Amino acid sequence: QSALTQPPSASGSPGQSVTISCTGTSSDVGASNYVSWYQQHPGKAPKLIIYEVTKRPSGVPDRFSASKSGNTASLTVSGLQADDEADYFCCSYAATNNVFGTGTKVTVL
Amino acid sequence: QVQLQESGPGQVKPSQTLSLTCTVSGGSISSGGYYWSWIRQHPGKGLEWIGYSYYSGNTNYNPSLKSRVNISVDMSKNQFSLKLSSVTAADTAIYYCARRCVVVPAPGRMVGAFDIWGQGTKVTVSS
Repeated sequence: QSALTQPPSASGSPGQSVTISCTGTSSDVGASNYVSWYQQHPGKAPKLIIYEVTKRPSGVPDRFSASKSGNTASLTVSGLQADDEADYFCCSYAATNNVFGTGTKVTVL
Repeated sequence: QVQLQESGPGQVKPSQTLSLTCTVSGGSISSGGYYWSWIRQHPGKGLEWIGYSYYSGNTNYNPSLKSRVNISVDMSKNQFSLKLSSVTAADTAIYYCARRCVVVPAPGRMVGAFDIWGQGTKVTVSS
């Protein structure tokens, strides 16, 4: 199983929005209702910010939103804040396999 | 509030078996509804799912690691463990334990996601 493809980096100024893509195949992202997204600050464990493609856990700001179309899932961070600077990973669960994305480093300019 | 904590050697020799334990606190590992998981992160790289076990012993492993992995649950100690055999330098990584919600809707359950993570433990494979 190959990792899902994410752009290595993305950036935006405070207050702006940034969108990260997560591209897989018809066997993983395309077949999954269980795409999740994780935020990881340097030296810390990942934190769940999106599950079931579009749902936010309690406590995650609504500035974080997500969607899926075909074999590509997307995460949008609106109203960028300094603390949003982190690595972001997608994950897809389908056919008993859990596959993570390659990760995207978001920089707040 | 469930918390997870990894423990185990920080260094393993090539060809030996890497053994890690994750202690679950604040909840019972046998309560059902969750898979107890291991995930690793190579230096400066992405995340790789290793596998998980239900409290009953039902397991599921990453096909690329399946021949070398064993994950088991010890309900008496509220712990679960990872054994990875025949390690090489390529197994050097930060190893995380995590709770993965089953794909069955329930109030408050983040279906299909890894909702709680340990802090991670760094393992280096070196002679």
